[in-house]
Amino acid sequence: EVQLVESGGGLVQPGRSLKLSCAASGFTFSNYGMHWIRQAPTKGLEWVASISPSGGSTYYRDSVKGRFTISRDNAKSTLYLQMDSLRSEDTATYYCATPNYPGVSADWFAYWGQGTLVTVSS
Amino acid sequence: DTVLTQSPALAVSPGERVTISCKASESVSTRMHWYQQKPGQQPKLLIYKASNLASGVPARFSGSGSGTDFTLTIDPVEADDTATYFCQQSWNGPNTFGAGTKLELK
Repeated sequence: EVQLVESGGGLVQPGRSLKLSCAASGFTFSNYGMHWIRQAPTKGLEWVASISPSGGSTYYRDSVKGRFTISRDNAKSTLYLQMDSLRSEDTATYYCATPNYPGVSADWFAYWGQGTLVTVSS
Repeated sequence: DTVLTQSPALAVSPGERVTISCKASESVSTRMHWYQQKPGQQPKLLIYKASNLASGVPARFSGSGSGTDFTLTIDPVEADDTATYFCQQSWNGPNTFGAGTKLELK
């Protein structure tokens, strides 16, 4: 059974940093592109960042470029999101997600974690 | 980015047929996917590539459309279908999601 378990969320002041983790199990992690998607309170879903199976390629939405860094440790089957210079508009539940097929791209997201809440506020 | 427009809310009675629409600001071919999200839970994939039923999803759910106009149909609706339904496109640039349609049962 595929499982994705996020951690690391919490309350942080504007301008500070936070690092999220997503522990994966039930599939060959190193074969799958991984993705972070967020959802602001009572709002819709927004793709944040993606990383290729090897970790050699990364992609970001414009509003987080230069502030967020996606990375992975295939030996630990863990995905990360380093978030620096946080802003109030980054407040959201952050989900890690992956499609049900190997490779870099993601057309659809078949597996989602339960999410971790990040609140940016003074 | 491609904008996906959904109606904000619908209310139907159990046993009825409901259609939830999603209109794209530009063609997305058939790269439209649908998710169900219940309060406090993560999204769940229902339909991929416009009309393909995801594994384990009841056959009451179906999807159709291509280009800019897509529909998710639930027939018949059950009480457990109370949720918000999101569409997502993966054809143009970054994946984008609709704002969601909240389905309530009368």
